[in-house]
Amino acid sequence: DSGVTQTPKHLITATGQRVTLRCSPRSGDLSVYWYQQSLDQGLQFLIQYYNGEERAKGNILERFSAQQFPDLHSELNLSSLELGDSALYFCASSVGGGTNTGELFFGEGSRLTVL
Amino acid sequence: GQQLNQSPQSMFIQEGEDVSMNCTSSSIFNTWLWYKQDPGEGPVLLIALYKAGELTSNGRLTAQFGITRKDSFLNISASIPSDVGIYFCAGYENNDMRFGAGTRLTVKP
Repeated sequence: DSGVTQTPKHLITATGQRVTLRCSPRSGDLSVYWYQQSLDQGLQFLIQYYNGEERAKGNILERFSAQQFPDLHSELNLSSLELGDSALYFCASSVGGGTNTGELFFGEGSRLTVL
Repeated sequence: GQQLNQSPQSMFIQEGEDVSMNCTSSSIFNTWLWYKQDPGEGPVLLIALYKAGELTSNGRLTAQFGITRKDSFLNISASIPSDVGIYFCAGYENNDMRFGAGTRLTVKP
C-alpha cells in the first residue's frame, strides 16, 4: 500500500460527458502528480501541484483541468470526453519542495472507459 | 516532456535467466529511479540512485547510475514468474521528472 488513494477505481461513461477523479496523497506529501497511461503505453505526465499551486504542466489537454485543495487532496477534471480519453489515470505524490528526491508514490489508478 | 530512451521494449525470458535493461538520455539527471508496474496496478519504486557511478542492490535487483549521469541500467538475476510486469526508468533533476517508455517483461515458467 503506497498510501496514495484514488477514487473511483473504475468509471464508465459516454462521449461528451465530464468526470472528476480524486486523489489523496500520502500523509505529509505536498506534491501531487497526474499521469495518463493508455493501453500498453508509457506514463504521460499531465500536471503537478505543490502545496496548492500548479508547479509543472505536461501534455494536458485544454479539456482537462486539475486543482489541489488546502487539505492537499487533488482532483482531475476531464470534460467533453472522447473515446481516446479511455485510459488509466494515475496520481502520485512526493514530499516535494527543496527536499524532493524524485521518489514518487503512485496510487492504484482510476480506469476510465469512454463509450 | 521528452521521454527517456529505454530498451529493450519487451523481453520474453525463461524462469531462472538473468535480465538486463537500460535507459539513456541526452540530458543529465541527479537522480535515476527504477519502478515496476504489476498488471492492473500503479508503479512501485524499486531502486533510487543519487550519485554518478553508484551501484545499488535490492535483493535480486541491481541498478547503476551511469558515470556520465545520462544513463542507468537495471539487472534482475535468476528471474521468477512474479518478476512479470513493466519496468520504468525515470530521471529526476530540479523538479523535472522524465519516464522511459517501459520494458515489458514476460517470464516463462
